[in-house]
Amino acid sequence: EAGVAQSPRYKIIEKRQSVAFWCNPISGHATLYWYQQILGQGPKLLIQFQNNGVVDDSQLPKDRFSAERLKGVDSTLKIQPAKLEDSAVYLCASTFDLAGYNEQFFGPGTRLTVL
Amino acid sequence: AQSVAQPEDQVNVAEGNPLTVKCTYSVSGNPYLFWYVQYPNRGLQFLLKYITGDNLVKGSYGFEAEFNKSQTSFHLKKPSALVSDSALYFCAVSQDSNYQLIWGAGTKLIIKP
Repeated sequence: EAGVAQSPRYKIIEKRQSVAFWCNPISGHATLYWYQQILGQGPKLLIQFQNNGVVDDSQLPKDRFSAERLKGVDSTLKIQPAKLEDSAVYLCASTFDLAGYNEQFFGPGTRLTVL
Repeated sequence: AQSVAQPEDQVNVAEGNPLTVKCTYSVSGNPYLFWYVQYPNRGLQFLLKYITGDNLVKGSYGFEAEFNKSQTSFHLKKPSALVSDSALYFCAVSQDSNYQLIWGAGTKLIIKP
């Protein structure tokens, strides 16, 4: 089966510019996650969707970050305007449902560099 | 509050020797425990998980992990390390009451030829 797809793989922007990332989860997976991973650290959950509804966005900096999953399949994460500290890898993951015993499947990530 | 600790930032092992990457956790109820691996410039890959039952769990690439409830540990092990095992390893925990993963900070595993 196809894995989680993400694009672009790399993005370089200047501070105060905007950027968008796209994720297509594994077919049939209802739950989708966006994580931010700073180099050398564990992933930090930004937002979690169940189908097209938000389950948790408590750690999403809502003044600059937004995410949507309108049709319950693919998702976009946007940053506007970007700050230097947003430089990180943005990972998308999906899982079959909300059960805690399900492993998450990750995409390759988008490496964002903000100059 | 739930938490995961990986006490070693880096573990160095000679090729062919056994390896152990440590993980301890803190949860209020029964945990679901996971190990993920991240190779350079790659996304995270699932290695293995403990849900219930046998305390010794076997996973991908010859890795295994032992769940120890009394010590609240879930250490990752492999009998004979390969240079290709060099990567960043993350331990994570979740529960049915909180289906989000709580992640450890990661341990860099370096296998030397």
